[in-house]
Formats: sequence, structure tokens, C-alpha cells
Amino acid sequence: AQSVAQPEDQVNVAEGNPLTVKCTYSVSGNPYLFWYVQYPNRGLQFLLKYITGDNLVKGSYGFEAEFNKSQTSFHLKKPSALVSDSALYFCAVRARSGNTPLVFGKGTRLSVIA
Amino acid sequence: KAGVTQTPRYLIKTRGQQVTLSCSPISGHRSVSWYQQTPGQGLQFLFEYFSETQRNKGNFPGRFSGRQFSNSRSEMNVSTLELGDSALYLCASSWGATDTEAFFGQGTRLTVV
Repeated sequence: AQSVAQPEDQVNVAEGNPLTVKCTYSVSGNPYLFWYVQYPNRGLQFLLKYITGDNLVKGSYGFEAEFNKSQTSFHLKKPSALVSDSALYFCAVRARSGNTPLVFGKGTRLSVIA
Repeated sequence: KAGVTQTPRYLIKTRGQQVTLSCSPISGHRSVSWYQQTPGQGLQFLFEYFSETQRNKGNFPGRFSGRQFSNSRSEMNVSTLELGDSALYLCASSWGATDTEAFFGQGTRLTVV
């Protein structure tokens, strides 16, 4: 069965500093990988996805993520954090083959401090 | 275009009652998935429907059920509500292919008292 681990419940970073939100996954075969963000009292918003090709994926709001097959990781990064980036971030994985659902991690709360 | 619409936004029910939640997907989307979000467990997958057929089902008891209609709208039902069913229920729609991103509604906040 596929699964996602987000090892940090909370990440704190100062405004202007780079940020990293970690994600590792387990799936049979090759994965499709996604990042979503959730603001208070809202549903999830899609940030970016890895399907194939370049391991570095660029997404919305200046976020990017790097797919690392050997480490089964897909960490979310941003060169310079903004206070408005403070939110709950979810990593998700889906197997390429077979009819399997999109499975999410438990989420990481990012706090950007001014 | 209109996003994913979930109704109602908030619901308070008593233990033992049943509840039906509704989800209208983005126009043209054929896949609808449901998730339960709680602070301790994150997002847990409930079901996925594609063209009126259940494509996947999560590890929830039989009290949780769902269906999808020919217009792709979906409903989920929870019978014999328990206090632990209190959660935010999120619906997501997509075109249906496994490499496409899902678009989420704002959720229905269910409180069981």
C-alpha cells in the first residue's frame, strides 16, 4: 500500500529565509507526487506535481520541489519565505499503475515569522 | 469557472443520527473523491468515484457510504453517527486520469454531539 510521511508537524522559518518542508513516500512502482496547501477554513489548493521528466518541479507562488527517486523524497522548497506562506502543507502520492487513490501525508504546519 | 461546491458548510448532528453530504464537482470532471480531515490523522481517504462507479475505497466502516450520479455530483452518507465522526469532510474532483491534480471544495464541518 502506498503511504506518505511528513516527518515534521511544524516548521518555523524567518521571513526572507529559505524554507523546506520534507516529504518521503512509499509506493509500488513509480509515483505521481503532489503538494497542496491549506489556509484556515479552506479546502486544499494545488501547488505543484511531479509526473515525469525534470526532477525539479516549479509550481505556484514561487514554490518548487525536487523528486529524488533513490531517497524516495519530494521535498517542497522556496528560496525566500513570506509571512503569507504560513499555512498547512500536504504531500500526496499516487501509484502510476493500477487504480489506486491519491494518498496524503498528515501535513506540516509552516509558520513564517516576520 | 465554478469550483467544487460542497453543501452544507456546517452541520451539527446527534449521536446515532445519519447525515448526507453533497459535492458538486467542476464542470466536466468525472472523478470525485472524499476525504476525512481530523487534527490528529490528517487527510484520510474515504472513496473515489469515476463515472458513477466506485473506483477505490478507504479503510472506513460500512457506516460510511457514497455514490455518484450521472451528472458527476456525489453524495456521501454516514449512518449511526459517533462522536469520532466529527471532522472536516473534503470533496475533490478531477478529470479522472491518475496524473491529474484534484481540486478541492471548502469542505463540510460535521460536529457530532
